[in-house]
Amino acid sequence: GEDVEQSLFLSVREGDSSVINCTYTDSSSTYLYWYKQEPGAGLQLLTYIFSNMDMKQDQRLTVLLNKKDKHLSLRIADTQTGDSAIYFCAESRDDKIIFGKGTRLHILP
Amino acid sequence: EPEVTQTPSHQVTQMGQEVILRCVPISNHLYFYWYRQILGQKVEFLVSFYNNEISEKSEIFDDQFSVERPDGSNFTLKIRSTKLEDSAMYFCASRDTDTQYFGPGTRLTVL
Repeated sequence: GEDVEQSLFLSVREGDSSVINCTYTDSSSTYLYWYKQEPGAGLQLLTYIFSNMDMKQDQRLTVLLNKKDKHLSLRIADTQTGDSAIYFCAESRDDKIIFGKGTRLHILP
Repeated sequence: EPEVTQTPSHQVTQMGQEVILRCVPISNHLYFYWYRQILGQKVEFLVSFYNNEISEKSEIFDDQFSVERPDGSNFTLKIRSTKLEDSAMYFCASRDTDTQYFGPGTRLTVL
C-alpha cells in the first residue's frame, strides 16, 4: 500500500516513556520525520532522521529506524503534560511529504 | 528563528465564492508547498512550486485550485469556486535543502 501507518491513540502516565510506532512504505525515502500538532495549532517539526541512520537522539526524544522492516519509532522520555498532542510520522517521497494519520498521545496523571 | 507565516488564520466563506490563502515562506527558501488537513484526517499534499511553476500536484489539486508567487515574498493558493468539501486546514510549507517547514495554517470554513 501507499500509506504511512501508525496507531491512532496512546495513553501514558506522566513521567513514563512514550513510544510511538510507525511503518512507512517507500524504501527510497531519504528522510523520515516526526511532527507534533497541538490542538488548533500548526505542524511543528520535532525531529527527523536521514535514512542511512539507525538512531537519533535529541534531549528527551529518541528516534529509531529499522530500514529493513520500514519501521520508525519515536520515544519520549519522562513524558510531561505538555507532550499531549497528535504526533505525525511522515516520509519524504519525491519532493513531497507523506503523512500518517497521527497518534494522539494522552497523558494520564 | 525565521518561520513560515500564513494569513488569515481563519477564513469563512460562502459556497461558490473565491478565496485566496496567503503565505510568506522563509526568505531564502526556493521550494514552496501547499497541504491540507480535513478535520480529523491526515495531512495531504496538494502542490509543490519551484522556479515560478508547479513541480507536482496531487489529484486533489484540480482546475479550481491555482497557486501564484505574485512578488518576491508571498505565495498564494486560490480556490476559484469553493465547495463544502474544501473546508479544511491549509498549510503552506517551504524548503531549503532538505527539510520542509510548515506555517501555522489557515482554517477555511465553507458554508
